[in-house]
Amino acid sequence: NAGVTQTPKFRVLKTGQSMTLLCAQDMNHEYMYWYRQDPGMGLRLIHYSVGEGTTAKGEVPDGYNVSRLKKQNFLLGLESAAPSQTSVYFCASQPGQGAIGELFFGEGSRLTVL
Amino acid sequence: AQRVTQPEKLLSVFKGAPVELKCNYSYSGSPELFWYVQYSRQRLQLLLRHISRESIKGFTADLNKGETSFHLKKPFAQEEDSAMYYCALLMDSSYKLIFGSGTRLLVRP
Repeated sequence: NAGVTQTPKFRVLKTGQSMTLLCAQDMNHEYMYWYRQDPGMGLRLIHYSVGEGTTAKGEVPDGYNVSRLKKQNFLLGLESAAPSQTSVYFCASQPGQGAIGELFFGEGSRLTVL
Repeated sequence: AQRVTQPEKLLSVFKGAPVELKCNYSYSGSPELFWYVQYSRQRLQLLLRHISRESIKGFTADLNKGETSFHLKKPFAQEEDSAMYYCALLMDSSYKLIFGSGTRLLVRP
């Protein structure tokens, strides 16, 4: 049982390049989240999804887009990467109403934008 | 605005000493609070939630609505408790979990 899997785990981009981070969960969870983790700032919510085909903005959505075409996948896209988006990105999923607040996290994806 | 504050970036204690990791929140509604932990080379994981009123690995946390706090406590720290600890707030009628900036706990032998 893999849980929450993020790909890629590491990536280096040049300013202006685009990329997509993929998050896959095999637990049939309804809710999925993308956070970024920066030193001294903890985890900040970028976007989240409460079900297939739905997405919503979090605390720091600017510069990112997301899609949830399939229940098990949540994609995070950077259309034009900026150095300020250098960070560690974490995906998480949550079962649903019966376990609100209990998030299962991926291992993280370290992104460097030069 | 909703906010979770963890005032200490680093807390260093000796093995066997009591530990208190501070967490304060700002929220006008009915909060649900959680503590998450990230051990070295492991995924971030849920430690405990205030609704359960449970003790996990010897840690407890009590929600104090008057002081808007949810401090994490353990009477006798162990070396294996060394980790990054995050306090998190779930706002009612929402699926958004807001995290604090985290406190690194270092338990020295």
